[in-house]
Amino acid sequence: NAGVMQNPRHLVRRRGQEARLRCSPMKGHSHVYWYRQLPEEGLKFMVYLQKENIIDESGMPKERFSAEFPKEGPSILRIQQVVRGDSAAYFCASSSTGGEAGELFFGEGSRLTVL
Amino acid sequence: AQSVTQLDSHVSVSEGTPVLLRCNYSSSYSPSLFWYVQHPNKGLQLLLKYTSAATLVKGINGFEAEFKKSETSFHLTKPSAHMSDAAEYFCVVSDLGNTDKLIFGTGTRLQVFP
Repeated sequence: NAGVMQNPRHLVRRRGQEARLRCSPMKGHSHVYWYRQLPEEGLKFMVYLQKENIIDESGMPKERFSAEFPKEGPSILRIQQVVRGDSAAYFCASSSTGGEAGELFFGEGSRLTVL
Repeated sequence: AQSVTQLDSHVSVSEGTPVLLRCNYSSSYSPSLFWYVQHPNKGLQLLLKYTSAATLVKGINGFEAEFKKSETSFHLTKPSAHMSDAAEYFCVVSDLGNTDKLIFGTGTRLQVFP
C-alpha cells in the first residue's frame, strides 16, 4: 500500500514563473491537507480539501496560491508568479476521516527553490 | 488559540543516554497532542499521540510522553538514545476532533553522538 506520493520532490523556478505541486493521497483517503515549512521553522497549515471541495483555506495566502482536489487525479497546489519568499518545503498529508485528530499521513514533501 | 512551545531548538546526547525533548502547550480546550519525527529530506512520521485517555503515552521506537495538565507540558522521553534517533522532532497540538489544523512547534533537532 503506497503512502502519500508527492511530486516533484524538487522544483526550481525563476521569479514570475508558476509552480505546480502534486499530491496523491494514500489509497482510500479522501481528505488532503497542505502544509508549508519555511527554513528552520515548523510546518504551517495552508489548506484542507476533500474531493472537489475546499473545506478550510484559512492558511493560504490571499493571492497567487490556489489548491484543488478533483474527482479524479491528484491534489494540486498551484503558485503563480513565484517570488523568492515562496521557497520552502511543501508537505501534503492525507487521512481517511477528517474527524479523528492526528491520523495524518505525510508525504516526503516537495522542495521549491525560487531563483 | 492553541499553540505549542518547544523549549530547545537543539539537543545533543550520547548514544545510550536518556533523551528529553521539552514541549509546553497552550489550549483553550482539552487538547490533542502529538509528537512527529522528521528525518532529513523525509516526510513526517507520527511517534505518538495523546487524546484524553491515559496520560502516559507510549509510541514507536521506545519513545513515550507524559501529559501533565498542571504543568501544561507534554515532554518526549526515551531511556536510551540510538544513533538512528537523530532527527527533527515536532510537538503538535490540535483541537479535539478538529484535525484540519495541526499546529506545529518550531522543532527540536536531536543529535546523537557515538
